[in-house]
This record gives sequence, C-alpha cells and structure tokens, in this order.
Amino acid sequence: DTAVSQTPKYLVTQMGNDKSIKCEQNLGHDTMYWYKQDSKKFLKIMFSYNNKELIINETVPNRFSPKSPDKAHLNLHINSLELGDSAVYFCASSRTSGAFYEQYFGPGTRLTVT
Amino acid sequence: GNSVTQMEGPVTLSEEAFLTINCTYTATGYPSLFWYVQYPGEGLQLLLKATKADDKGSNKGFEATYRKETTSFHLEKGSVQVSDSAVYFCALRLPNDYKLSFGAGTTVTVRA
Repeated sequence: DTAVSQTPKYLVTQMGNDKSIKCEQNLGHDTMYWYKQDSKKFLKIMFSYNNKELIINETVPNRFSPKSPDKAHLNLHINSLELGDSAVYFCASSRTSGAFYEQYFGPGTRLTVT
Repeated sequence: GNSVTQMEGPVTLSEEAFLTINCTYTATGYPSLFWYVQYPGEGLQLLLKATKADDKGSNKGFEATYRKETTSFHLEKGSVQVSDSAVYFCALRLPNDYKLSFGAGTTVTVRA
C-alpha cells in the first residue's frame, strides 16, 4: 500500500555511466516532483510535472532528463554520471487543487557515483 | 526571492526536555508554512502545516504558530522522546506555486 515508491533504493555506479530512477504514486495525484538532497541534508527541487506537463525545471544540468509517461509515474534519467551527482533523490507527489498542496515523499534513492 | 532560515543543528537533548526549532521566512507573497520530519533512512513526512496568520498546526505533540508579524513558524514540543530523533525541515509554498522551498534542516538527537 505504499503511497509513493521509488526504485532502486540504492544505486552505485561509475562515472560516465547512464542510469535511471523510477517513481510511482498510487494516490491519484496529478503533480509529481524530483528533489535532490545533498550530503548536508539540503533539499532542492529539480523538476515537477503536472498532468504529464513539465512545470518546474530548475537550474539542473542537461544530463538530467525527467520523463512522465502518465500521471502516476515520473522517471529520472541521468547521463554521463559525475561524482557530484552523488546524493539522495526524492520523488514526491501532490494534488494541485486545495489549499494545502501537501506533498507526499517517497523513501528516496541513494545514488553513489564512484 | 523566497527563502527559509532554520536554526542550525545539531541539537542534542535528553528525554522529556523541551524542544524549540526556530524558523523564519522571506516571501514575496502570503505563503503556506510546513514542518516536515525525516527519520533516519526514510523519506520526508509532513508533520504539521498552517496556511494563514495565527493558525496553529499541531501533530504528535509538536506545535507551530504562523506569525506574520515576525515572519516565523517556530516548532515546539514540550517533552521529547528518543523516537523524535530526526531531521526537521521548515518549508514554505506560495499560493499558486507548485514547489516547496525548504530550510536547511535541523538534526535533533534525543538521548535516553
């Protein structure tokens, strides 16, 4: 009954490789997000999709490309991985209607680039 | 721009101590305010929220009051437990904006 799930939970890979992280939500939300948490726990928004349309695209290298095949899924593909990409990546989702727009977070994917 | 400033950690307390984590914000509009908690090895969970001035959010013994005059949303708990050990994030969202802007997080450790 997981609300927001991510796979894989851990990802260890070498510099220069290409990898993907998948996210799925079963909450019926129409907005999904990717956040990056660095080693100091600082959280920063990367992307957001609303009804499969990209609505937030922060200053992120072009090597990062999100894809939303449908409202329940948001994937993150990273090309030519670099050491600085090592972080925990969180997926989140929310409804766009209503006063609170509460965001529900997945458990995170810890990416380690060696 | 919009920003959230939290007191720096780490904070270490004994069980049953009083906890306060200060949070102030800068925003161009009238934001909603949130506290999220991240337990070790887990994702973020919403702890409490407030959408207008003088609103008090509360959950699990934690409270925070939206103070527009001081642009603050301080988190308090009267008697902490070991299970409250976590990282706490203050965040804001402007009306009609999708994204949350987070503070840097405050690590709290409660000792038995």
